[in-house]
Amino acid sequence: EPEVTQTPSHQVTQMGQEVILRCVPISNHLYFYWYRQILGQKVEFLVSFYNNEISEKSEIFDDQFSVERPDGSNFTLKIRSTKLEDSAMYFCASSAGGGARPTIQYFGAGTRLSVL
Amino acid sequence: AQSVSQHNHHVILSEAASLELGCNYSYGGTVNLFWYVQYPGQHLQLLLKYFSGDPLVKGIKGFEAEFIKSKFSFNLRKPSVQWSDTAEYFCAVIVSGTYKYIFGTGTRLKVLA
Repeated sequence: EPEVTQTPSHQVTQMGQEVILRCVPISNHLYFYWYRQILGQKVEFLVSFYNNEISEKSEIFDDQFSVERPDGSNFTLKIRSTKLEDSAMYFCASSAGGGARPTIQYFGAGTRLSVL
Repeated sequence: AQSVSQHNHHVILSEAASLELGCNYSYGGTVNLFWYVQYPGQHLQLLLKYFSGDPLVKGIKGFEAEFIKSKFSFNLRKPSVQWSDTAEYFCAVIVSGTYKYIFGTGTRLKVLA
C-alpha cells in the first residue's frame, strides 16, 4: 500500500536555527498538508498546498513557516527561526482530491521536532 | 469556530469487552467525518469515514461508527475488542469546501489481555 514518508523521524535543533522537515507524499496525490501535535494537545492543521500554492493556512502558520514542493516528489516545511514552542510532532499528509470534493488524507508517521 | 470533542481521554478494557468512543462536533453545515487510529510508532491510519448515505458505516478491523446528525455525533464502536486494538483513536471532521481536518484530542485505548 502506498505510504506517505517523512524524514527525519526525530530532529533536534537549537532555538533560532532553521529546520526543514521533509515529506514524500503518495505519488499520484495532488493535495498536500502539514499538521502538528504539541505533546498532550490536539493535532492541529497548519497548511494545505495545491498546484504549487497554499490553498488554506491556519493562524499558526505565520511568517516563520513556509512550504515548498521543490521537485516532483518532495514536500517540505521550513521553520525559519525555531522557538521552544515549535517543539511538536509534525505530520505530513496527502490526498488525491480536496476542497469541495470529499477526500481522504493519508498521513505519514511524523517528525518529532525538539527545540532546545 | 468549529471544534471536535472526544470525551473519553483514556479507556481501559479487557479483551472481548465492547467499545464505544464518543465524538461530537460543532458545525451546522455539511461535514465529512473520520476515525483514525495510531498504533505506537506508526502513522495515522484511516479506520472509517462518512461522506454521505447510510449513517452507519463499517470500517476495517471490525469497527463501525454511526453518524447522528441531530446530535452532531459520530461515535465509534466495536462489539469485542482485542489486545491488538491498543492504540490512540482520533475523530476528525472536515467542513465541506475546506481543506483542513479538525481533530479531537484523541482517546488512548488500552486493552488488557
